[in-house]
Amino acid sequence: GAGVSQTPSNKVTEKGKYVELRCDPISGHTALYWYRQSLGQGPEFLIYFQGTGAADDSGLPNDRFFAVRPEGSVSTLKIQRTERGDSAVYLCASSLGPGNTIYFGEGSWLTVV
Amino acid sequence: ILNVEQSPQSLHVQEGDSTNFTCSFPSSNFYALHWYRWETAKSPEALFVMTLNGDEKKKGRISATLNTKEGYSYLYIKGSQPEDSATYLCAFDGGTSYGKLTFGQGTILTVHP
Repeated sequence: GAGVSQTPSNKVTEKGKYVELRCDPISGHTALYWYRQSLGQGPEFLIYFQGTGAADDSGLPNDRFFAVRPEGSVSTLKIQRTERGDSAVYLCASSLGPGNTIYFGEGSWLTVV
Repeated sequence: ILNVEQSPQSLHVQEGDSTNFTCSFPSSNFYALHWYRWETAKSPEALFVMTLNGDEKKKGRISATLNTKEGYSYLYIKGSQPEDSATYLCAFDGGTSYGKLTFGQGTILTVHP
């Protein structure tokens, strides 16, 4: 596709459940990022992939959060035992690499009830 | 913790007015400053990536300046239109070079017809 694609666009889940959020980056982009935006704040960095490897996962809040990018293209953000505080917009972004424009998807709106 | 501040938090202007807002960021370890426009239900749109002190960039009626020594950037909109209504986000890349961005909380602009 022309842009970064994220699915689902909206997800409502019960506290304690497992959730997967998918990101399909712009074709050819080797760098992929996940950010999270909570209400009233700017997006916060979660994790950066260069190719298949997580080059920087310092933003993941705890071990309930995990992300993979097995073939260097599509990425999945996985959240275990969801909590109400995980409710946020999860944004995926991609770029050609360092120093290039970073393009964002529309986000996955997660609500934990 | 990096501190990226945007002001004002929100702004209401009339169609045709020119407006500007500020992003302040750490003056050390600077790599790049990104500006985004984020309309509701859409993906954040990249406006500018600024890397050089004194740089000025322009895109239509929108322009931005950068002062890395004192740690601030201004975004200007000339002749605001209702379609300019959005949240404007700045994001600081503090020397990682790979796009680990620290975002401000955004300026919400509303342009009234």
